[in-house]
Amino acid sequence: AAGVIQSPRHLIKEKRETATLKCYPIPRHDTVYWYQQGPGQDPQFLISFYEKMQSDKGSIPDRFSAQQFSDYHSELNMSSLELGDSALYFCASSPRRTEAFFGQGTRLTVV
Amino acid sequence: AQKVTQAQTEISVVEKEDVTLDCVYETRDTTYYLFWYKQPPSGELVFLIRRNSFDEQNEISGRYSWNFQKSTSSFNFTITASQVVDSAVYFCALSDSGNTPLVFGKGTRLSVIA
Repeated sequence: AAGVIQSPRHLIKEKRETATLKCYPIPRHDTVYWYQQGPGQDPQFLISFYEKMQSDKGSIPDRFSAQQFSDYHSELNMSSLELGDSALYFCASSPRRTEAFFGQGTRLTVV
Repeated sequence: AQKVTQAQTEISVVEKEDVTLDCVYETRDTTYYLFWYKQPPSGELVFLIRRNSFDEQNEISGRYSWNFQKSTSSFNFTITASQVVDSAVYFCALSDSGNTPLVFGKGTRLSVIA
């Protein structure tokens, strides 16, 4: 069965650089979520999209932005990266706002 | 506000032992959903179960079972005859019936020793 695909799997960036993470949800899933998981932490909700419109905003820094495109893939853009942005970033998709299926995550390391 | 508490930070058991992971939640909503996810050392989050607030039936899936009790706001997870492959961090999560960003507990790290 198709799963949520995230790319890249690993990313190393320097401070103050920009990063773009991509997410391809499971086909026919109408909701996409982004979560950030710091080392030893639980996942924290960043932002979500329902039918390509932003639906909820969590603890997403102003330096981050996200969008969902006409083909339902989503991108999380992160600018002016800081050391504290180093984390595992998950994308999840959900059919009709039921259970969320997570991608394998993108591990971002800021040096 | 919604909150999920997993009081057990780490649990260590010997293979074949049974182990129960506790989850207590807080919400003002009358309709809500509870989840368990497994995060193995490889890092991905694996969906295990979803339970809605109107369904208090216990569920069993192989060696896994879940006990949902609204009276105590608990949704506990039991692994029977644990195996080394069960070693992971387990997260309990909660969402309301409208928009459903998940609120996670802090997780319980389970180590199963051979």
